[in-house]
Amino acid sequence: EPEVTQTPSHQVTQMGQEVILRCVPISNHLYFYWYRQILGQKVEFLVSFYNNEISEKSEIFDDQFSVERPDGSNFTLKIRSTKLEDSAMYFCASSTDPDAARYQETQYFGPGTRLLVL
Amino acid sequence: AQTVTQSQPEMSVQEAETVTLSCTYDTSESDYYLFWYKQPPSRQMILVIRQEAYKQQNATENRFSVNFQKAAKSFSLKISDSQLGDAAMYFCAGGSEKLVFGKGTKLTVNP
Repeated sequence: EPEVTQTPSHQVTQMGQEVILRCVPISNHLYFYWYRQILGQKVEFLVSFYNNEISEKSEIFDDQFSVERPDGSNFTLKIRSTKLEDSAMYFCASSTDPDAARYQETQYFGPGTRLLVL
Repeated sequence: AQTVTQSQPEMSVQEAETVTLSCTYDTSESDYYLFWYKQPPSRQMILVIRQEAYKQQNATENRFSVNFQKAAKSFSLKISDSQLGDAAMYFCAGGSEKLVFGKGTKLTVNP
């Protein structure tokens, strides 16, 4: 069964460093998402991406964050200058084109990248 | 959904028994989906079940079923014949594009 994959599974970085989190969505999916979950808290939406542009972003997704689909398979989240409070689990998710199905399709989540900022 | 509320931080159930996890939501959207995700200690998010808001029939997936009350904006998850492997955090989520999650319910299954 196809699945969303994410690399790395764990990343430790120093405050102020740039990190790139990578995701390979399910191959026929067209909508891509990033969420984060600070330890012990709920999952929060960061950004959605469709047709090579950001579809929606949350207040959390400030200028320090960016997303990119550099090729036909990868979807990346970059944090330019990490802060202590960026420590969290980052989930990538993908779904098929909701317009094609008229309604929101199921979002399938990757296993997550655990980011620790020291 | 703009808000999703799970009022039970923790629940426990005996193996083979039935447990119901509660979820309420608030939304101004007319078209939306509702989901239950399971998060084991590995922290991976695993889809358990989904419900299309335009459907009146409650979704079922093997031992998992939902009680969807659209007027009351309620979406509870029933787990029948609970198994030790069901122990996890359970998150209710909803939306028409981005998903809004509840705070989760930690389910313990006692042997």
